[in-house]
Amino acid sequence: GAGVSQSPSNKVTEKGKDVELRCDPISGHTALYWYRQSLGQGLEFLIYFQGNSAPDKSGLPSDRFSAERTGGSVSTLTIQRTQQEDSAVYLCASSLTDGDNYGYTFGSGTRLTVV
Amino acid sequence: DAKTTQPPSMDCAEGRAANLPCNHSTISGNEYVYWYRQIHSQGPQYIIHGLKNNETNEMASLIITEDRKSSTLILPHATLRDTAVYYCIVRVVGDFNKFYFGSGTKLNVKP
Repeated sequence: GAGVSQSPSNKVTEKGKDVELRCDPISGHTALYWYRQSLGQGLEFLIYFQGNSAPDKSGLPSDRFSAERTGGSVSTLTIQRTQQEDSAVYLCASSLTDGDNYGYTFGSGTRLTVV
Repeated sequence: DAKTTQPPSMDCAEGRAANLPCNHSTISGNEYVYWYRQIHSQGPQYIIHGLKNNETNEMASLIITEDRKSSTLILPHATLRDTAVYYCIVRVVGDFNKFYFGSGTKLNVKP
């Protein structure tokens, strides 16, 4: 597609439920990032995929968070047993390579609200 | 952790130049300076980047000091649509590093 697509755009879930957030990067982009942004805060790095390399999971806040990237394209971020503090906008970004001089293209994000 | 320092907010009159400063005193020789902006409710948008020379594109100009310890993003003729949070980031291109977004500068363009 023309840009990074994220779905759903909004998600309201009950505390304790599991949620899956999807990211469709730009076709051919090998680098993919997940960030989250709490209300009024800056972006917090979560996880990074580059090609077939093992992902960098150093930003995941707890073991309730996991992500996978199938076939080097679509990525899914899963949050198990959601808590209210998980409420945030989850942003995905992709790049042609990690060496892409023009930085990353971000999607519009998924706004997650845990009630 | 973010390696940059930016003022939390700035005001600019519509039509005037907006000059947004950024300090990156610990920048390494192989780290580039990137600028992104985030308009309310949207994902961050790439603006410009540079290593040591000044850069200009259709959106903005980037002025990097000779010692590379600070830089200024210049929006030559700010419009109301330029109201956003502007992030200054340093990173090594071609390395498996993450973009670390600091708190940014909220630019308020006023009519």
